[in-house]
Amino acid sequence: SQTIHQWPATLVQPVGSPLSLECTVEGTSNPNLYWYRQAAGRGLQLLFYSVGIGQISSEVPQNLSASRPQDRQFILSSKKLLLSDSGFYLCAWRPSGSYNEQFFGPGTRLTVL
Amino acid sequence: GENVEQHPSTLSVQEGDSAVIKCTYSDSASNYFPWYKQELGKRPQLIIDIRSNVGEKKDQRIAVTLNKTAKHFSLHITETQPEDSAVYFCAASQWSYIPTFGRGTSLIVHP
Repeated sequence: SQTIHQWPATLVQPVGSPLSLECTVEGTSNPNLYWYRQAAGRGLQLLFYSVGIGQISSEVPQNLSASRPQDRQFILSSKKLLLSDSGFYLCAWRPSGSYNEQFFGPGTRLTVL
Repeated sequence: GENVEQHPSTLSVQEGDSAVIKCTYSDSASNYFPWYKQELGKRPQLIIDIRSNVGEKKDQRIAVTLNKTAKHFSLHITETQPEDSAVYFCAASQWSYIPTFGRGTSLIVHP
């Protein structure tokens, strides 16, 4: 069966510090991968998605970036965090080329102080 | 692109009552409509979904209806229980495309 992992679970970082969040998926190949953020309320804001290794599409211009160095690995990064980057970051995957549901990871709660 | 509107933003009911959450979408090409439940501090999880070739789908106490002509779909929860309290998201997508989510409905079930 498929499993999605995210780490760390929680993170407290000072403004201006770098960020690296990692997401990995097991039990599938060539998944579509997504990064979402939930800030303060409950809306799911799509940040990045990827349909293959090295392919990244950005939905919102900001100081975040994403990379997909391996088929089942998705990384969210920042060189300098802002206060507004605080939130709940969710990685998700979906089988490529399907109607199927998205499966979300457990999330990372990021607090920028 | 697709636009999904979800109402209400907050819904408060008494245990045992029914709850209805409604979503409208703009792109007539959308053909897959999932509903996710997110408990406080946890990840969203699929509770039911419907494809455009079906008008209604039911799973125990939850059901989803779809009106393609009017471009709206609804989640119905009967005999609500306190454990149904959560934020519910609707979404709309085309085959293999990026889903567009509604802004969420916070359902509160009072014992």
